[in-house]
Amino acid sequence: DGGITQSPKYLFRKEGQNVTLSCEQNLNHDAMYWYRQDPGQGLRLIYYSQIVNDFQKGDIAEGYSVSREKKESFPLTVTSAQKNPTAFYLCASSRSGHSQNIQYFGAGTRLSVL
Amino acid sequence: RKEVEQDPGPFNVPEGATVAFNCTYSNSASQSFFWYRQDCRKEPKLLMSVYSSGNEDGRFTAQLNRASQYISLLIRDSKLSDSATYLCAVNVVSGGTASKLTFGTGTRLQVTL
Repeated sequence: DGGITQSPKYLFRKEGQNVTLSCEQNLNHDAMYWYRQDPGQGLRLIYYSQIVNDFQKGDIAEGYSVSREKKESFPLTVTSAQKNPTAFYLCASSRSGHSQNIQYFGAGTRLSVL
Repeated sequence: RKEVEQDPGPFNVPEGATVAFNCTYSNSASQSFFWYRQDCRKEPKLLMSVYSSGNEDGRFTAQLNRASQYISLLIRDSKLSDSATYLCAVNVVSGGTASKLTFGTGTRLQVTL
């Protein structure tokens, strides 16, 4: 069953803590993306990666970090520098970074601050 | 001005009605256009790509107007199951081959009996 798997589904962060959200895909897609969605808001791009060992900042990268050591995996770390981390985090992938390529989404992780 | 704008709604329509949403975009260099459907507390799922000549998939019709910089989605014979938020997404190539997908905030549709 091909798809994008995000874990955990729900995550709680304490003040000053770094947390890592997992995103794995078995679609053999080159490009992967992280978005944040706040209530009543559209999706905002945090980071994206078009190829292994390379990634670029999106529109709201501050307080976040990523790595792309394997094609299948694109974990997102929400650092303590992100002061308002409560949101719905969505990972997506596409065959490549070409504009025609459709992005497919994982089921998301809901992050809350304790 | 936002890069991609949608009327947030909600659009409340009776079952069987025809409803249309528009989505405007500000960057004339935009190259690809999509409609996604998002159910409450779920991930967005692709509904359809939008082609220059317009395209239809069953009860859904998407159109692109490059001159006025908007895309539209028409839903005919609305079903209760069509109730969801519809997000438009616009792709602009930047920095060589890299492309970014920018989403609107979504239009909420509620179909009622």
